[in-house]
Amino acid sequence: DAGVIQSPRHEVTEMGQEVTLRCKPISGHNSLFWYRQTMMRGLELLIYFNNNVPIDDSGMPEDRFSAKMPNASFSTLKIQPSEPRDSAVYFCASSLLSSGANVLTFGAGSRLTVL
Amino acid sequence: GDSVTQMEGPVTLSEEAFLTINCTYTATGYPSLFWYVQYPGEGLQLLLKATKADDKGSNKGFEATYRKETTSFHLEKGSVQVSDSAVYFCALMEAAGNKLTFGGGTRVLVKP
Repeated sequence: DAGVIQSPRHEVTEMGQEVTLRCKPISGHNSLFWYRQTMMRGLELLIYFNNNVPIDDSGMPEDRFSAKMPNASFSTLKIQPSEPRDSAVYFCASSLLSSGANVLTFGAGSRLTVL
Repeated sequence: GDSVTQMEGPVTLSEEAFLTINCTYTATGYPSLFWYVQYPGEGLQLLLKATKADDKGSNKGFEATYRKETTSFHLEKGSVQVSDSAVYFCALMEAAGNKLTFGGGTRVLVKP
């Protein structure tokens, strides 16, 4: 398996522009997570889906952020409009929801810089 | 709510030295505990896990024991290598949950 695939790996944009980050989870996994990593705040869970349905979006910072999972093999995280404080590394992770301890597999991340 | 506290870094040590990274947690119920590692420019990788009290997780020479009485899950390795230089994250998952709560991460630098 190719693992969790994220794109783009790097994005540099200007304040006010729309940013779309993409994620392809591991085939067969039924949970998907979006995390944000910054020096100041560490790793923060933004939102997660079970079976393509958003379960907890309490970590989404504000209305400028939105996430979708139209099918089991694709998810997007959109920021519109972007601001410099959104600069961070955004990680997507997936897992197979089971009765045991679910192990999350992370993608390599998308590094976003908003100028 | 649930939280994880781990020692701040950076931790700098020489090759073959002993490594300990402290991790304590606050949670309701009986969570599962994890250590993830992040190498430069990469995503997080599972290093080891433990699902119940007194369980010991181990991998690549690293070990951690789930201590319910002290709510701790300290990571240890007896002899580190330069290739162990990375950021290490302690995390917990609620017993009936599906999301990880991470500590702040500890950067480890091993010098030859």
